Amino acid sequence: AQSVAQPEDQVNVAEGNPLTVKCTYSVSGNPYLFWYVQYPNRGLQFLLKYITGDNLVKGSYGFEAEFNKSQTSFHLKKPSALVSDSALYFCAVRDPFSGGYNKLIFGAGTRLAVHP
Amino acid sequence: SQTIHQWPATLVQPVGSPLSLECTVEGTSNPNLYWYRQAAGRGLQLLFYSVGIGQISSEVPQNLSASRPQDRQFILSSKKLLLSDSGFYLCAWNPEIRNTIYFGEGSWLTVV
Repeated sequence: AQSVAQPEDQVNVAEGNPLTVKCTYSVSGNPYLFWYVQYPNRGLQFLLKYITGDNLVKGSYGFEAEFNKSQTSFHLKKPSALVSDSALYFCAVRDPFSGGYNKLIFGAGTRLAVHP
Repeated sequence: SQTIHQWPATLVQPVGSPLSLECTVEGTSNPNLYWYRQAAGRGLQLLFYSVGIGQISSEVPQNLSASRPQDRQFILSSKKLLLSDSGFYLCAWNPEIRNTIYFGEGSWLTVV
């Protein structure tokens, strides 16, 4: 079965330190991978995606993610965390069997707390 | 530019009452449209998707239904709400030939 795992329920980081939010996936074929961020009582905002090409993907708000095929991972990173980065982060993978539409399989989410 | 609008933002409804949540997308044509539900502030569940007018597919059988009366309009409905229908409902879309899905701001539904 296709799946996405976010092994950490919460990540705590001090402001100014680098942050990593982990994601691993299990899909058939080449994965289409996404990261979204959700602020309280808001919808999901698209951060970045990997479809093909360079394994290091740069996205919005200074975030980047590294696709690692051998480890089936797509970890989200940022060199220097801000308090305003505190939010809920979702990793997702496109279901390769979803045909003409895009069915995304989401991880359970990781809550990022950046402390001053 | 493309934008997605979803309303109402907040709704409190009694058990057994009907529901209508509406979503429209601007600045594009023939988008794929989706309804998701987020329970307990975490997990996202795909409820319905649509690839065109009148074309609705359901992912999970339940008390809800969806309709797409116009190209850029997607409606989530229920004839009689249950307590278990409470949650955060998100409309989403993607252009027909692109992979990224974009979400609306969501609608909080509380069934009392």
